[in-house]
Amino acid sequence: NAGVTQTPKFRILKIGQSMTLQCAQDMNHNYMYWYRQDPGMGLKLIYYSVGAGITDKGEVPNGYNVSRSTTEDFPLRLELAAPSQTSVYFCASKGERQYFGPGTRLTVT
Amino acid sequence: GQNIDQPTEMTATEGAIVQINCTYQTSGFNGLFWYQQHAGEAPTFLSYNVLDGLEEKGRFSSFLSRSKGYSYLLLKELQMKDSASYLCAVRAAPNSGYSTLTFGKGTMLLVSP
Repeated sequence: NAGVTQTPKFRILKIGQSMTLQCAQDMNHNYMYWYRQDPGMGLKLIYYSVGAGITDKGEVPNGYNVSRSTTEDFPLRLELAAPSQTSVYFCASKGERQYFGPGTRLTVT
Repeated sequence: GQNIDQPTEMTATEGAIVQINCTYQTSGFNGLFWYQQHAGEAPTFLSYNVLDGLEEKGRFSSFLSRSKGYSYLLLKELQMKDSASYLCAVRAAPNSGYSTLTFGKGTMLLVSP
């Protein structure tokens, strides 16, 4: 099992550009999550999904969108990148506990 | 809403014992988790408590008191590799919808020789 995978590992965006952060899991988990982590601020939940076709907002959803067309994939979309979205993004899936992907470091300049 | 507090930083010596505290206030409670996160890496699961008491797993133990809204993570026989951030997270029992985790800001532990 690869567990939870994320691509890309690093990305630099210009203000106003858009991009999709990819997340996939091979553990057949229904629950998947997107978090952002800023220095000294802990993990903040952006969006989550409890199964294919079902998504809901977390604590900090503004500026992001998600979709869940399959159990395996849960991409996160940034439409108009802003400097405030500079962060490390973690995807996670849950069986008994949450398993995290390796993260994507995003810089918006 | 939920509020989770844990110390920002702690230091300890190799071979010693350290206790990292976490206090929480939540409108509903359905479990408390501890995660370890090394610099530049993803969080990894350490422990889970849903009932009061102590859960022991090797060098790591976690304690929960639901009435006090309090947990601690105890690390024994500290090793240099234990230098990491330790995240306390609470799972709420919502009135509707699905439960999610709320994380504290993490406690950075530095183990020195």
